[in-house]
Amino acid sequence: EAGVAQSPRYKIIEKRQSVAFWCNPISGHATLYWYQQILGQGPKLLIQFQNNGVVDDSQLPKDRFSAERLKGVDSTLKIQPAKLEDSAVYLCASSPDLAVRNLFFGSGTQLSVL
Amino acid sequence: AQSVTQLGSHVSVSEGALVLLRCNYSSSVPPYLFWYVQYPNQGLQLLLKYTTGATLVKGINGFEAEFKKSETSFHLTKPSAHMSDAAEYFCAVSVGSSNTGKLIFGQGTTLQVKP
Repeated sequence: EAGVAQSPRYKIIEKRQSVAFWCNPISGHATLYWYQQILGQGPKLLIQFQNNGVVDDSQLPKDRFSAERLKGVDSTLKIQPAKLEDSAVYLCASSPDLAVRNLFFGSGTQLSVL
Repeated sequence: AQSVTQLGSHVSVSEGALVLLRCNYSSSVPPYLFWYVQYPNQGLQLLLKYTTGATLVKGINGFEAEFKKSETSFHLTKPSAHMSDAAEYFCAVSVGSSNTGKLIFGQGTTLQVKP
């Protein structure tokens, strides 16, 4: 089966610019996650969707980050405006349901903010 | 609050030697515990998981981990390291009810395998 697809693979922007990342989960997976992985740290959950509803966005910096999952399939994560500290790898993951035992990760988007 | 601590950000072993990566957790409820591996420029791949039942869990690529409640530990081991094991390893604990919710990851341990 196809894995979690993410694009772009790399993105370089200047601070205060906007950027968007796209994720297409494994077909049929109801739960979708966005994680932020800063260099040298473990991934940190930004937002979790169940179908097209938000389950947890407590760690999402809502003044600059937004995410949506229209139609409960693919998802977009946006940063506007970007800051230097947003430089990180943004990982998308999906699972068949809310049980985290079955979590599948994409390869991530590496963002560099200059 | 649940948390994960991985002891040692870098571990170096010789090829064929024992691999031991340490993980301690903090959880107020029975935890679900995971080990993930991340190769350069790739996403995370599940190595193994502990949910309930047998405390010694076997995973892919010859890795195993033992859940020790009394020590709040979930250390990852492999009897004989291979060059292809060089990667970043993350321990994680589930947050929320035992089988739902989000994962909290440790800081990661980079495993170096020397020829």
